Amino acid sequence: AQKVTQAQTEISVVEKEDVTLDCVYETRDTTYYLFWYKQPPSGELVFLIRRNSFDEQNEISGRYSWNFQKSTSSFNFTITASQVVDSAVYFCALSLYGNNRLAFGKGNQVVVIP
Amino acid sequence: GAVVSQHPSWVICKSGTSVKIECRSLDFQATTMFWYRQFPKQSLMLMATSNEGSKATYEQGVEKDKFLINHASLTLSTLTVTSAHPEDSSFYICSASRGSPDHNEQFFGPGTRLTVL
Repeated sequence: AQKVTQAQTEISVVEKEDVTLDCVYETRDTTYYLFWYKQPPSGELVFLIRRNSFDEQNEISGRYSWNFQKSTSSFNFTITASQVVDSAVYFCALSLYGNNRLAFGKGNQVVVIP
Repeated sequence: GAVVSQHPSWVICKSGTSVKIECRSLDFQATTMFWYRQFPKQSLMLMATSNEGSKATYEQGVEKDKFLINHASLTLSTLTVTSAHPEDSSFYICSASRGSPDHNEQFFGPGTRLTVL
């Protein structure tokens, strides 16, 4: 079975600080996808990134960056120079190739203090 | 593109009544739709997977007779919470897949907040 662990439950940072969210996953399959979603207070999930298991390149999108390390089964997410609008719950998730079922982590509540 | 809507966005009902939640893919055909449940400050829990024209596949522990799922067309799935009770109060989220297993991407609706009095 697949499992996603997000150990930090709530993280508070002062605006403009960087924040890194850890995601550790477990699967016996060699082909899988990893995702990050943002859930603002409104509740709607916002897709941030999808990464397949064969692509270990790190990615940067604006203030967001992701570090995928298969050796440690981790897919960490960093927000640089955080802003108040970044306050939300962030979920890491995993699905297997050919099976769309998503296994979500428990989420990280990020609070950015102005 | 790839917009998913849910209706209603919130509903309050009395205990014992049934509530229907609709999930629609607005600009694509969804071969597979998913229903999730999220309690306050918790993660999303998959309730069931539905494919158009066939019976839904429920996750372990989810009561099929309690949560009726119908996927009548490629753009519409409905979740009916039958004889709702206060413990069914939750945030229900649907998602839809375009059927590209190599992409494994789901598009999420905005959610429906159910409160049972």
